[in-house]
Amino acid sequence: NAGVTQTPKFQVLKTGQSMTLQCAQDMNHEYMSWYRQDPGMGLRLIHYSVGAGITDQGEVPNGYNVSRSTTEDFPLRLLSAAPSQTSVYFCASSYYDRDNEQFFGPGTRLTVL
Amino acid sequence: GQQVMQIPQYQHVQEGEDFTTYCNSSTTLSNIQWYKQRPGGHPVFLIQLVKSGEVKKQKRLTFQFGEAKKNSSLHITATQTTDVGTYFCAGPRYSGGGADGLTFGKGTHLIIQP
Repeated sequence: NAGVTQTPKFQVLKTGQSMTLQCAQDMNHEYMSWYRQDPGMGLRLIHYSVGAGITDQGEVPNGYNVSRSTTEDFPLRLLSAAPSQTSVYFCASSYYDRDNEQFFGPGTRLTVL
Repeated sequence: GQQVMQIPQYQHVQEGEDFTTYCNSSTTLSNIQWYKQRPGGHPVFLIQLVKSGEVKKQKRLTFQFGEAKKNSSLHITATQTTDVGTYFCAGPRYSGGGADGLTFGKGTHLIIQP
């Protein structure tokens, strides 16, 4: 199993550009989520999904959209990138419960100029 | 809102010394989890504690969950260079109904001097 995979690993955007961060898992996990990690801030929940077709907002959802058309994939879209979105983005998945052990992907380092 | 606080933010130790990080929640937790993140890496699950007063050991790592289920600690005995990284605690994040994810502490960076 590949576990949780994320692409790209690195990305540089200009303010106002849009892009999609890809996340996929091959563990048949129902729950998937996106976190952002900023220096000194820990990880903060952006959006999550409890199954295909179901998504909801986390702690810091503004400026991001998600969709879940399949169990495997959970892309994160930046609608109009801002410098405040410069961060490291982690996708995570878990069995059944939302507060259970999370399996994290390798992350995407995003810089917005 | 719910807060999970961790101290210290940074800890420098000599190789072979012990290390402890502490986690405190503003609310009672149904469980607490610990993760380790190596420099440049991603968080990796270490353990989950569920019961009041629970103590679990993994080789040189000892995890404790407080009696009131609002605090926890991770203790590493005789640190090694492989222990370098950031240690995070995390508790269930509640928004309205049930848990929707995790609330992470800001982490403790363990720096080991050989």
